[in-house]
Amino acid sequence: QKEVEQNSGPLSVPEGAIASLNCTYSDRGSQSFFWYRQYSGKSPELIMSIYSNGDKEDGRFTAQLNKASQYVSLLIRDSQPSDSATYLCAVTKSGGSYIPTFGRGTSLIVHP
Amino acid sequence: NAGVTQTPKFQVLKTGQSMTLQCAQDMNHNSMYWYRQDPGMGLRLIYYSASEGTTDKGEVPNGYNVSRLNKREFSLRLESAAPSQTSVYFCASRDSGVSNEKLFFGSGTQLSVL
Repeated sequence: QKEVEQNSGPLSVPEGAIASLNCTYSDRGSQSFFWYRQYSGKSPELIMSIYSNGDKEDGRFTAQLNKASQYVSLLIRDSQPSDSATYLCAVTKSGGSYIPTFGRGTSLIVHP
Repeated sequence: NAGVTQTPKFQVLKTGQSMTLQCAQDMNHNSMYWYRQDPGMGLRLIYYSASEGTTDKGEVPNGYNVSRLNKREFSLRLESAAPSQTSVYFCASRDSGVSNEKLFFGSGTQLSVL
């Protein structure tokens, strides 16, 4: 079992809809959780980080963390075609090494 | 501000050839990383350097060596390239401290080994 699991997709949503991306992790001691966005042929860029249970909102993006169930999700409201990309979930283990482990990524397609 | 600079952007090698991928950051970051990305596999850590003078193996270190030349530069060397090393390679850096876990990535090197 990979340490960080994501559905590879593609997830296809219409413009204006809510896109929901999910990620599960295996290490119960994980401390920090991140969502990176990667456009085709480009490098990943951080869009959200979350450290405690609950929701964290930033513009159209909401990250949700549930440590008891070991999952983290990313909601994108009012999805736009420019949101079409691969979204990588990353998790940092406990122990202070700050080495993120990445999931395989979920491809999101927002169609007009 | 250039951020993280990787060279070259593209490279084609024959099996058995060697090469070094260069990475430099101008953000005074302590930690640097080399990842490879293969289709459907996400990013996998090859080596990392928590600070100048230290390096450690990641998830997939076999066939690679690294050098943390100074605080700015972290190079990745393939001594004898194999087709299985065909991939996109990303260098990344991070500032130190609990609140600084964001990785800054270079633009990547697309490597093909024939």
